[in-house]
Amino acid sequence: AQSVAQPEDQVNVAEGNPLTVKCTYSVSGNPYLFWYVQYPNRGLQFLLKYITGDNLVKGSYGFEAEFNKSQTSFHLKKPSALVSDSALYFCAVRDANNAGNMLTFGGGTRLMVKP
Amino acid sequence: ETGVTQSPTHLIKTRGQQVTLRCSSQSGHNTVSWYQQALGQGPQFIFQYYREEENGRGNFPPRFSGLQFPNYSSELNVNALELDDSALYLCASSFTADTQYFGPGTRLTVL
Repeated sequence: AQSVAQPEDQVNVAEGNPLTVKCTYSVSGNPYLFWYVQYPNRGLQFLLKYITGDNLVKGSYGFEAEFNKSQTSFHLKKPSALVSDSALYFCAVRDANNAGNMLTFGGGTRLMVKP
Repeated sequence: ETGVTQSPTHLIKTRGQQVTLRCSSQSGHNTVSWYQQALGQGPQFIFQYYREEENGRGNFPPRFSGLQFPNYSSELNVNALELDDSALYLCASSFTADTQYFGPGTRLTVL
């Protein structure tokens, strides 16, 4: 079984400050990890993924995420938040040993960036 | 934009009715996955189709069924609609097990 936890329902940050959105996961095999963002009344937009290699993954719009195997975490980060980053963020995991491509999502974290 | 399209955008049905939702995959993608996103929750995996065959299924009853066509477009069918089926239905396309790209979704309301 695979699962994802996003412990914060909402994260508030001031524009220009760094932001972190937390994610922890559980899989039986090696994890493939993803971050998606959802704007109101829209589908999910892919931000970045970790498959293998460097633990720091860089993605779209200046976002990056750090894979930590010992802590089973994949936190999303950005050095300087923008008001336009305000949205709903989802972490997802897939077990690399699973032949299918089923993603398991966390419950989402709402990011509010205030001017 | 991802190139994944879904229709219709919104749909209102009554309990007991049947509904068909449609998805057009991004060019070059051969795999389609469907997810249900209830209000305030993360997406839940319904099933996946690869080369017109079901390739995995989540914890959804058999009244949720699907099809994938030779051009890799897809349908999600739900029979005997229940109030709890009200949700945003998301289609995602990918090339085999690579990154999934999502469409804008269909908002289904069951009255």
